[in-house]
Amino acid sequence: EPEVTQTPSHQVTQMGQEVILRCVPISNHLYFYWYRQILGQKVEFLVSFYNNEISEKSEIFDDQFSVERPDGSNFTLKIRSTKLEDSAMYFCASSPQGGSYNEQFFGPGTRLTVL
Amino acid sequence: AQSVTQLGSHVSVSEGALVLLRCNYSSSVPPYLFWYVQYPNQGLQLLLKYTSAATLVKGINGFEAEFKKSETSFHLTKPSAHMSDAAEYFCAVSERAGKSTFGDGTTLTVKP
Repeated sequence: EPEVTQTPSHQVTQMGQEVILRCVPISNHLYFYWYRQILGQKVEFLVSFYNNEISEKSEIFDDQFSVERPDGSNFTLKIRSTKLEDSAMYFCASSPQGGSYNEQFFGPGTRLTVL
Repeated sequence: AQSVTQLGSHVSVSEGALVLLRCNYSSSVPPYLFWYVQYPNQGLQLLLKYTSAATLVKGINGFEAEFKKSETSFHLTKPSAHMSDAAEYFCAVSERAGKSTFGDGTTLTVKP
């Protein structure tokens, strides 16, 4: 069964460093998302991406964040200068269509630890 | 904006007992609602979804949920809890372009 994959599973970085989190969505999906979950808190929407551009982003997704689909299969989240408060689990998701009734398929997540 | 409220951050039941996890939503348009389960150190797995086709929705692992518009609720139930059901459960509402808004989550503990 097709699934969303994410690498790495765990990333440790120093504050101020840049990190890139990678996701491979399901191959025939068109919509891509990033969410984050700070330890013990709920899952929060960061950004949605369609047709090579951001379709929506939350207040969390400030200028330190960027997303890219560099090669037609990967979908990346970049944090330019990490802060302690960026420590969280980051989930990638994809869906075949963007309508709200369509299920989003979530990856296993990348745990980011900023020291 | 749409929102979801999960009543009870922790629910504890005995094995074999009824599981009831509560979710209320706020929406100005007909909502699409989802329940996800998250096991420790794992991702989110879809349990079931409501997309207006039927008010009683059956999902995986014996779970089901009933959409009640008059009560703006979408509570998750399972007739008989199993030890393997112990996990975190999230209710979510889907907005335009598929963006989901999640509730705070409910931790389900199953006692032997």
